[in-house]
Amino acid sequence: DIQMTQSPSSLSASVGDRVSITCRASQGINSYLVWFQQKPGQAPKSLIFSASSLQNGVPSRFSGSRSGTEFTLTISSLQPEDFATYYCQQYNFYPLTFGQGTRLEIK
Amino acid sequence: QVQLVESGGGVVQPGGSLRLSCAASGFTFSSYGMHWVRQAAGKGLEWVTFIYYDESKEYYTDSVKGRFTISRDNSKNTLYLQMNSLRTEDTAVYYCARDSIPRGSGWYGDHWGQGTLVTVSS
Repeated sequence: DIQMTQSPSSLSASVGDRVSITCRASQGINSYLVWFQQKPGQAPKSLIFSASSLQNGVPSRFSGSRSGTEFTLTISSLQPEDFATYYCQQYNFYPLTFGQGTRLEIK
Repeated sequence: QVQLVESGGGVVQPGGSLRLSCAASGFTFSSYGMHWVRQAAGKGLEWVTFIYYDESKEYYTDSVKGRFTISRDNSKNTLYLQMNSLRTEDTAVYYCARDSIPRGSGWYGDHWGQGTLVTVSS
């Protein structure tokens, strides 16, 4: 199975900060990666697919990039509604696998 | 718009069985593969299983193989998850989710239900 190693596991930041979350795949997954945002009591929301394509309706402050087997989600200027938990997930191979999650908290 | 509504969750004893349903609307259900994903309280997301639009293929995570069965009834626009030999570690919110590419396999994670809670406890 593909292991997705996500870091950091938690992150404290302030409104207006630029933050990045990284996900590393244990083997090549091409660009078959999704980034999700999840708030308590809600289903996950897809932000980025194919590593760098923005889902419809997602603000442009969110972006995704890939370098080999390392993937990065960047939020350019944190807004109050961005404080949530973020997950990466590969969909190149079954079983689909998620990263462990990154909890983004207000500093 | 796409709507997915799970039902069938509840409390069951270890070793018991439960069948979850996911009623789909707002799209041509028979054209899309479907997934189940679960999340234990305070834990991360875990993909469970997937079925092709035409039932030609199924995939499972190792921990549920031989115990869980995914199925669908395209005439009723409904997805199912039959869960047998349940364990305490199966306790979670179970979400159904729609694949993103019609008549194929492609996942962008853009359509989810609200989830149904399964509790396995004596």
